[in-house]
Amino acid sequence: KAGVTQTPRYLIKTRGQQVTLSCSPISGHRSVSWYQQTPGQGLQFLFEYFSETQRNKGNFPGRFSGRQFSNSRSEMNVSTLELGDSALYLCASSFPLAGYENTQYFGPGTRLTVL
Amino acid sequence: AQRVTQPEKLLSVFKGAPVELKCNYSYSGSPELFWYVQYSRQRLQLLLRHISRESIKGFTADLNKGETSFHLKKPFAQEEDSAMYYCALRARGGADGLTFGKGTHLIIQP
Repeated sequence: KAGVTQTPRYLIKTRGQQVTLSCSPISGHRSVSWYQQTPGQGLQFLFEYFSETQRNKGNFPGRFSGRQFSNSRSEMNVSTLELGDSALYLCASSFPLAGYENTQYFGPGTRLTVL
Repeated sequence: AQRVTQPEKLLSVFKGAPVELKCNYSYSGSPELFWYVQYSRQRLQLLLRHISRESIKGFTADLNKGETSFHLKKPFAQEEDSAMYYCALRARGGADGLTFGKGTHLIIQP
C-alpha cells in the first residue's frame, strides 16, 4: 500500500497570508490527524478527522482549521499567517478498530516557512 | 492535562552497550503509551506500543504505572539504532490525539 502523502512538501508564505495543506491517507484509512512540529514546542496535536467530522482538537487558535472529504483526504488551513506558524506540519492516518488502539502512520510533512 | 517528559535530549552510547531511553508521563486516567522513531531522512514511524508487549528490533518497553514511566530499553545497541525517539501518550478512547515528548536523539558510536 502507498503511504500517507502530503502536498506540497515545501511552502513559503508571508505574514498575513493564508495557506492550505493537503493530506492523502493510506487507502482504507478513515481517520486523519494533524500535528505541528517546531524546535521549541516539539510535536503538538492540532486536530483529528474521522468520517468527515472533526473528532478531537488540540489547543490551537481558530486560525487553524481543517476538513475531511468523503474519500478521507484531508486539508488543513491556516489563515492570517504569523511568523510563529513556521513549522513542519505532519499528517497521520489510521484505521480505527473497535476496542483496539489505532496505529497512526505519518506522512513526510509539509515544511511551511512564514516570512 | 497529559504530559510526556523525555529528560534526555541527547544520548550517546557505544555499539554493544545497553540503551535506556527514559519516558515519564502524567495523566489522570489509564493511558495508551507508544514509542515512535524517526531515522535520518525518514518519516516518523511506530516502534512499539505498551499494550502489545512486543519486542521490535530488540527494543522493549514496560509500562510502570506506579512510577508513571515507559522507558525504552535494548540490551545491545547497534549503529543502525541511531535516530530520534519520541515517547507518546494517548488517552483511552483516543481523545485529544497523541501527546508527544520532546524526543531523545540517540547516537550509537562505533
